[in-house]
Amino acid sequence: QISLKESGPTLVKPTQTLTLTCTFSGFSLSTSGVAVGWIRQPPGKALEWLGMIYWDDDKRYSQSLKTNLTITGDSSKNQVVLIMTNMDPVDTATYYCAHRLGNSGFYFDYWGQGVLVTVSS
Amino acid sequence: EIVLTQSPATLSLSPGERATLSCRASRSVSTALAWYQQQPGQAPRLLIYDTSYRATGIPARFSGSGSGTDFTLTISSLEPEDFAVYYCQLRTNWPPAVTFGGGTKVDIK
Repeated sequence: QISLKESGPTLVKPTQTLTLTCTFSGFSLSTSGVAVGWIRQPPGKALEWLGMIYWDDDKRYSQSLKTNLTITGDSSKNQVVLIMTNMDPVDTATYYCAHRLGNSGFYFDYWGQGVLVTVSS
Repeated sequence: EIVLTQSPATLSLSPGERATLSCRASRSVSTALAWYQQQPGQAPRLLIYDTSYRATGIPARFSGSGSGTDFTLTISSLEPEDFAVYYCQLRTNWPPAVTFGGGTKVDIK
């Protein structure tokens, strides 16, 4: 069965770079049609999509965040990495990675448990 | 950029009642919509995709409908485990992106 888990620092300082790793099982990032997305949720607020990586290494990013975001994948390790530069307190949120449903579209059928990242000096 | 507005913000109902949640897009969309349920402290769970298809394992009391700018999630008879926050989500083809609504909280009256 499919599972995903996020890992990384829970506290970063303003202006620092955040690196989160999503380690997954039950599927391969090299299989045609597979995609993994990143979504975040500030405390008490709504979900916000950050970006997606596809099986062919294509990527899509949120227009409002793309200058600060990089997503990479390593199919040999079953991992996807999110890199976010110049972190700010407004970036405090729970960060989720999620598996895309099927082989098209942007729906997410399996999610990691999330990791709460706090940005504070 | 398309904005999704969910209403009401909070819906107070009793178990066994029917819940009707609304999601309105800021302009007409030709793509389909999804709904997620989120319990406190948990990750979202996919309920409905492509506007009206139930995800695997989702009970038949959940149904989705709509088109254009107006979409609806209906829970025919609320069970205790249905009290949660619900989000709608849209995908756009160009630019390829995802937008979530602000959420509707269904709580016990």
